[in-house]
Amino acid sequence: LAKTTQPISMDSYEGQEVNITCSHNNIATNDYITWYQQFPSQGPRFIIQGYKTKVTNEVASLFIPADRKSSTLSLPRVSLSDTAVYYCLVGDYNAGNMLTFGGGTRLMVKP
Amino acid sequence: GAVVSQHPSWVICKSGTSVKIECRSLDFQATTMFWYRQFPKQSLMLMATSNEGSKATYEQGVEKDKFLINHASLTLSTLTVTSAHPEDSSFYICSASWDRGLGNTIYFGEGSWLTVV
Repeated sequence: LAKTTQPISMDSYEGQEVNITCSHNNIATNDYITWYQQFPSQGPRFIIQGYKTKVTNEVASLFIPADRKSSTLSLPRVSLSDTAVYYCLVGDYNAGNMLTFGGGTRLMVKP
Repeated sequence: GAVVSQHPSWVICKSGTSVKIECRSLDFQATTMFWYRQFPKQSLMLMATSNEGSKATYEQGVEKDKFLINHASLTLSTLTVTSAHPEDSSFYICSASWDRGLGNTIYFGEGSWLTVV
């Protein structure tokens, strides 16, 4: 299973763009990269998933370089409500494999 | 999007009793579901993988006789904490895998708080 490494915490201000990078050096060929957001006392919420290059949806963008050994979650113009823990997970979901959580990144958005 | 629902959201039980937590996939059929526990300010820890129609696969260190998992249908998995003790108090979260045609994505339930007194 690919192990992920993220910064423990990050601070930002409202309206700024936030980029959170995750390292996954031993990612396997069939592995996808998925990011989740978790608020206290809630289950993780799916943000975005990708395999390579760039993926964008209504809430975030995911940048994946060609070697796929890292990925960057980009949150445009964050607000106070984006304060949460963000997890990067890597796995072969098509095989129904479970997800192993790393420590996540605790994002604090300040006014 | 897909919805995974857990019930109850929170439960208090006495030491020595058993408590059941349900996990349902509302929009899709889930062959595989996963159960996690999470202590305050810590990451999620996988407990077991629940497979429909077969026995669950437990992670090392998780007592299968204490944490009974049943996945009787493609939309329901249950976790029963037997003979609960205060140290079992935790936040339990389930997840399910859904193939949207673009590869499977894992969706999580809202979580269930268990307090054993």
